[in-house]
Amino acid sequence: QKEVEQNSGPLSVPEGAIASLNCTYSDRGSQSFFWYRQYSGKSPELIMFIYSNGDKEDGRFTAQLNKASQYVSLLIRDSQPSDSATYLCAVQTGANNLFFGTGTRLTVIP
Amino acid sequence: GAGVSQTPSNKVTEKGKYVELRCDPISGHTALYWYRQSLGQGPEFLIYFQGTGAADDSGLPNDRFFAVRPEGSVSTLKIQRTERGDSAVYLCASSSGSGNTIYFGEGSWLTVV
Repeated sequence: QKEVEQNSGPLSVPEGAIASLNCTYSDRGSQSFFWYRQYSGKSPELIMFIYSNGDKEDGRFTAQLNKASQYVSLLIRDSQPSDSATYLCAVQTGANNLFFGTGTRLTVIP
Repeated sequence: GAGVSQTPSNKVTEKGKYVELRCDPISGHTALYWYRQSLGQGPEFLIYFQGTGAADDSGLPNDRFFAVRPEGSVSTLKIQRTERGDSAVYLCASSSGSGNTIYFGEGSWLTVV
């Protein structure tokens, strides 16, 4: 297995705050990076993907990638209670395989 | 169909029995993935198909697990001599190719009693 590591949490933030989720990966050949959200009892759904170093913004979500440090993060601005879920970091290798971290459980407190 | 379809959605089987789980990917998607997810864990990679062939089966835990995709569309994950430790959600996902979004089905919840 290609190693993808996340802090399992739980991470608790108050409503309206910024939630910061982090992920590191071991395979330097990895090319694409994804953040999935998973509600309890549901399958993962894609939030964002990022391929290039730097930041990518989509609404309240910003993905950040640093390939030199093998680090990818997700920021959620103006966190809402509906954002409470497990966030999965996934890394796609050059061979097009996709490996997941264990996920970080986020709770947004109203 | 519009999304990745998995059947059955729930399966309860006795220890030692044989189980088949089916995945029907999004039409035209050449890549198909199987994952296993236990409670509180991330999806664990099992096998990845590109077309009809298994491009990477290194995640299959042992020889009781086998998967096929004979016509490059529907895939079946087969588990022989099931054990209680096989109880998990089995997730299937598909994509149209390298770098493209990977979409998940709703999963097959397997319980071995």
